[in-house]
Amino acid sequence: EAGVTQSPTHLIKTRGQQATLRCSPISGHTSVYWYQQALGLGLQFLLWYDEGEERNRGNFPPRFSGRQFPNYSSELNVNALELEDSALYLCASSLSTQGGSPLHFGNGTRLTVT
Amino acid sequence: GQQVMQIPQYQHVQEGEDFTTYCNSSTTLSNIQWYKQRPGGHPVFLIQLVKSGEVKKQKRLTFQFGEAKKNSSLHITATQTTDVGTYFCARGGGADGLTFGKGTHLIIQP
Repeated sequence: EAGVTQSPTHLIKTRGQQATLRCSPISGHTSVYWYQQALGLGLQFLLWYDEGEERNRGNFPPRFSGRQFPNYSSELNVNALELEDSALYLCASSLSTQGGSPLHFGNGTRLTVT
Repeated sequence: GQQVMQIPQYQHVQEGEDFTTYCNSSTTLSNIQWYKQRPGGHPVFLIQLVKSGEVKKQKRLTFQFGEAKKNSSLHITATQTTDVGTYFCARGGGADGLTFGKGTHLIIQP
C-alpha cells in the first residue's frame, strides 16, 4: 500500500512569491491534514479537509489556503511568501474523523523562502 | 482547540537509562495517540489509548492512560540510540481533529 505522498520534496521561493504544495493521501483515506513545522519546533495545525470540505483551520493568516479534490488529494497554497514561512510542511491522511483515527504522515515539503 | 501539555520539553539521558514523557489535559480525553519523529523524518504513529487506566506495551515502550483520562505517559526502558527523536502526544476526537502537544525531544548520550 502506497503511503502519503507529497510533492515537491524541496521548494525554494523568494519573498512575495506564491508556493503550491501537493499531497496524495493513502487510498481510501478521506481526511487530509496540513501542518507547519518550523526547524526544531512542534507541529502547528494549518488546515483540515474531509470529503472535499474544509473542516477547520489553524491560527494562520488568509494567505495560507488550500483545497481538497474529488479524489481526496489536496493542495496547500501560500501567497505573498514571507521569510518566516520557511519550514517543513507535512501532510497527513486518516481513514475517518470519527474518534480521532491515527494520522499517516508524508515525508513533507521543505519550503525555503529567501 | 483544547490543548495538551507535554513535559519535559527536552530530556538528556545516558544510553541504557530510562525515559518518561508526560502528557496532560485539563479536560477529559476521548483518546490519546503517541507519535515518534526521528531527526529529519516525519511523525510516525506509535499507539492509541482509549480506555481509562489502559496500559499497552511495545517491547521497551510502555504507554499508560490515566484513570481520569486526563493524562498519559510514555516510558522507555533502557534507552538505545535508536530511540532518539521527538515524541508527541495528540488528543483525538475533537471538533478540530487531532491536537498535538509540543513534543519531548529525547537526546541520548552514548
